[in-house]
Amino acid sequence: VQLVESGGDLVKPGGSLRLSCAASRFIFSDYYMTWIRQAPGKGLEWISYISDTGGYTNYADSVKGRFTISRDNAKNSLYLHMNGLRGEDTAVYYCARGQYSYAYWGQGTLVTVSS
Amino acid sequence: DIQMTQSPSSVSASVGDRVTITCRASQGIRSWLAWYQQKPGTAPKLLIYAASTLQTGVPSRFSGSGSETDFTLTISSLQPEDSATYYCQQANNFPYTFGQGTKLEIK
Repeated sequence: VQLVESGGDLVKPGGSLRLSCAASRFIFSDYYMTWIRQAPGKGLEWISYISDTGGYTNYADSVKGRFTISRDNAKNSLYLHMNGLRGEDTAVYYCARGQYSYAYWGQGTLVTVSS
Repeated sequence: DIQMTQSPSSVSASVGDRVTITCRASQGIRSWLAWYQQKPGTAPKLLIYAASTLQTGVPSRFSGSGSETDFTLTISSLQPEDSATYYCQQANNFPYTFGQGTKLEIK
């Protein structure tokens, strides 16, 4: 199993960003996928998940209405579209495989929100 | 949201010691609890899921127990490589939530 995140960058408050997670070495369309983030020096925060077909999603209150999770099973890819970014969104963002617990994680991609 | 509270926040123990970390949920979560180990600069590693099921490949010195609101992670004989931060995570109610972490240091 391999998960590789990309798209992290320095962005100004109020800006937008799209993170990607490229999955390989497993049947991507069989699994729920999740985004989890970790602010610098802080703990883990679950932020969103998406069902295997993409038909069901759920979000943490801290990102609801600003972030959108999506997937393209034909491309074995997971996405996180982030709008209205705030300083408190600064974190390493991980994609992880699974619905309830996460045995496989990517290496993370850093999003920094600062003017 | 369900609050997950870990104790202690940090612990220092010697090689060979038995170490226990507790996680308390603000409401019952049945057995929907997982434990992770995270070393600096790396992604978390799943140790235990469903409160007490050992993830494949995880050493048997790690064990988990509990249900509803009170859970424990036990390391039966501490090894140097166990120095890390440990997190619990509930998956009973959205949004899923993590504990604040327990930093384990080796004396």
